[in-house]
Amino acid sequence: QVQLQESGPGLVKPSGTLSLTCAVSGGSISSSNWWSWVRQPPGKGLEWIGEIYHSGSTNYNPSLKSRVTISVDKSKNQFSLKLSSVTAADTAVYYCARRGLNSREFDYWGQGTLVSVSS
Amino acid sequence: QPVLTQPPSSSASPGESARLTCTLPSDINVGTYNIYWYQQKPGSPPRYLLYYYSDSDKGQGSGVPSRFSGSKDASANTGILLISGLQSEDEADYYCMIWPSNLGVFGGGTKLTVL
Repeated sequence: QVQLQESGPGLVKPSGTLSLTCAVSGGSISSSNWWSWVRQPPGKGLEWIGEIYHSGSTNYNPSLKSRVTISVDKSKNQFSLKLSSVTAADTAVYYCARRGLNSREFDYWGQGTLVSVSS
Repeated sequence: QPVLTQPPSSSASPGESARLTCTLPSDINVGTYNIYWYQQKPGSPPRYLLYYYSDSDKGQGSGVPSRFSGSKDASANTGILLISGLQSEDEADYYCMIWPSNLGVFGGGTKLTVL
């Protein structure tokens, strides 16, 4: 059973960089899957941030692309999110999720981690 | 980036059916997209329910009851999630999603209340 676990600081200062890691267990990050980040501001809907394949190929949400970097560390079986120049609008629960190479559904999700942007 | 429109709320009684809609913008043809549906309960990550492209191309998530089904209304450019035989446990937020050109787009979500 694949499990995803997000980790990282729960509080980031405005204009700083949000950094999160998603550890993958029960499966290999080098399998035929894309690995995504999705966020959800408190009380609001879901927003897809972007995704990465183990080869390093990425797709990003155009609305966030200038501030987002997603990377993969195959040696640690994990992938990471960096979001720069954060503001209060970036306060959200951040989820990592997996989808298949040739499918588009997210079949596994992490439990999510709340990141607040505040001074 | 397209905007998928979902009614903010819907309600129905136990045993009845709920029809949740996801309307695509007029410049995107619902007939050309898989529509994915997710269920989210408070404090939990979303759960994949199903996708629908056509009656011959659809898929159900693992362990998802058959009373959850998808369809499309081409005339309204809308994807539909139908939940039959509503149960109290179906009370949740429901999100639709499409993937235009390697870009994931969620709808705003519908809060379903089971009265």
